Amino acid sequence: AQSVAQPEDQVNVAEGNPLTVKCTYSVSGNPYLFWYVQYPNRGLQFLLKYITGDNLVKGSYGFEAEFNKSQTSFHLKKPSALVSDSALYFCAVRVNFNKFYFGSGTKLNVKP
Amino acid sequence: GAVVSQHPSWVICKSGTSVKIECRSLDFQATTMFWYRQFPKQSLMLMATSNEGSKATYEQGVEKDKFLINHASLTLSTLTVTSAHPEDSSFYICSARDRGRNQPQHFGDGTRLSIL
Repeated sequence: AQSVAQPEDQVNVAEGNPLTVKCTYSVSGNPYLFWYVQYPNRGLQFLLKYITGDNLVKGSYGFEAEFNKSQTSFHLKKPSALVSDSALYFCAVRVNFNKFYFGSGTKLNVKP
Repeated sequence: GAVVSQHPSWVICKSGTSVKIECRSLDFQATTMFWYRQFPKQSLMLMATSNEGSKATYEQGVEKDKFLINHASLTLSTLTVTSAHPEDSSFYICSARDRGRNQPQHFGDGTRLSIL
């Protein structure tokens, strides 16, 4: 079955420190992986995607993600966290031309 | 960038009322739109895939007579929650994908539905 897992419900980090939000996937075939961010009472905003090519993908707002095929992971990273990065982050996998499956979400808290 | 507009953003109504939610792609054509439901502190649950000019495809366990979907044009899909009850209260989010094989989904800002 196609799925993504986000093992951490919440991640706490101090402003200015690097952050990592974890995601692992299970898909048959080549994975198409995405990260989205959700602010309270808002829809999801696209951050970045991995389709093919370089394993390190750069996205919006200084975020990047590293695709690791051997570990079936696609962790979201940022070198220096901002308080405004506090939000809910979702990893997603596209399982066919249209259908996406989302992870359970990870709440990121960045403290001043 | 691509923008998806969802309206209304908040609805409070009495039990038994039918509620219509609109999802529009503002600067691109979307042959396919998606409707999700999100419970508090949970992920998005795909309800149905809305196809322009044809019937929607519902996920297992989603009542198609309860959640009516119409996708009459390349820029508009509607979700109607018929005879809504308190258990239908939730956050409903639509998304649309621009044409092109590897395009991400773009999401509306969601509709908070509260049934009294």
